[in-house]
Amino acid sequence: GAGVSQSPSNKVTEKGKDVELRCDPISGHTALYWYRQSLGQGLEFLIYFQGNSAPDKSGLPSDRFSAERTGGSVSTLTIQRTQQEDSAVYLCASSSVTGGWETQYFGPGTRLLVL
Amino acid sequence: SQQGEEDPQALSIQEGENATMNCSYKTSINNLQWYRQNSGRGLVHLILIRSNEREKHSGRLRVTLDTSKKSSSLLITASRAADTASYFCATVLRGGSNYKLTFGKGTLLTVNP
Repeated sequence: GAGVSQSPSNKVTEKGKDVELRCDPISGHTALYWYRQSLGQGLEFLIYFQGNSAPDKSGLPSDRFSAERTGGSVSTLTIQRTQQEDSAVYLCASSSVTGGWETQYFGPGTRLLVL
Repeated sequence: SQQGEEDPQALSIQEGENATMNCSYKTSINNLQWYRQNSGRGLVHLILIRSNEREKHSGRLRVTLDTSKKSSSLLITASRAADTASYFCATVLRGGSNYKLTFGKGTLLTVNP
């Protein structure tokens, strides 16, 4: 498809389990962002990729959170030993210099519920 | 912490009326953007205004920026029921090393038919 896609759309997990969230950016977009949206904290930046490297990880809330990007395309956000406070919608966005780097295109998000 | 704060938190109007939402921020910015979100899922980019611009238009949208007051406003004219959504302002900070967005808490707009 032409837009950013994310999978799964919804994920329910038990406290203590690990989860992986996937993001497929728009083809050719070199910049990729992860954000988290929760009732208490609003929309928060998590991590930024330029190509396969992550020069800004400042928003990751703890060392249980990690992300990687391979081939300059797909990115995976991993949350280890999930906690109830991790419940949120995780949004991915991508942008490109040629596409107007300042405009970020968002995916539909993954709604994570930790029981 | 949140850079932007939208005002009001919620706004309910009748179809055909204009809707105005405001955003204030704290530090110097490179640009300010407005996004719309339907049903708590993906965000849609509406308009971007740079720090050296004062006003921009896009269709029924008008955005103003006052850097001296660190504030912006989004005006939607002739509103439609389909405009019902949450609207967020987001800033890209001046001097930042990347283009990450810092969002406000949003305004929930309800347009009644």
